[in-house]
Amino acid sequence: DAGITQSPRHKVTETGTPVTLRCHQTENHRYMYWYRQDPGHGLRLIHYSYGVKDTDKGEVSDGYSVSRSKTEDFLLTLESATSSQTSVYFCAISDPSTYEQYFGPGTRLTVT
Amino acid sequence: KNEVEQSPQNLTAQEGEFITINCSYSVGISALHWLQQHPGGGIVSLFMLSSGKKKHGRLIATINIQEKHSSLHITASHPRDSAVYICAEAAGNKLTFGGGTRVLVKP
Repeated sequence: DAGITQSPRHKVTETGTPVTLRCHQTENHRYMYWYRQDPGHGLRLIHYSYGVKDTDKGEVSDGYSVSRSKTEDFLLTLESATSSQTSVYFCAISDPSTYEQYFGPGTRLTVT
Repeated sequence: KNEVEQSPQNLTAQEGEFITINCSYSVGISALHWLQQHPGGGIVSLFMLSSGKKKHGRLIATINIQEKHSSLHITASHPRDSAVYICAEAAGNKLTFGGGTRVLVKP
């Protein structure tokens, strides 16, 4: 299995609070991604990174920011959480030479 | 806009049956991915293909580039194959996902 961990695995937070989710990889892959998964919508790309300090928006980036200061870590921040951001968040990594993506275990976030 | 459509949305089979899941995509792609998600949530990459056919154990994936269509076949299905199967089209390193097919294999 690819070495990808996410923390925390579960979080409950209140509306308006900031939340940061962490994705950590040991594979030294250049590309990292944050997705959210919701019933009826499937997996949707929030943000991705193609290198340290290089990030770009996905299709559902509003309300989210990301940072990548090291190859191994990709952080997703909800500056002021809303109930619509209750979801399961998956991190993924890919090797640009193969295009194959490997997924982390997911973080279940509930915003009350 | 990229669109990835899967059918059926839900499928119930008896153990041993042959299962086919279909995936249609709308734009030119660099690759088509098939993923598996078991209850409990973990997502595993099954196949990535850009042409022809790939086989791994009882799973077979095919793709027809001209028709923009891919299929995932499960031969001799088993209850442990019960999962959600997701196809995704790749444009470079970015994926667009289908909505998934929920498969239940009854003993």
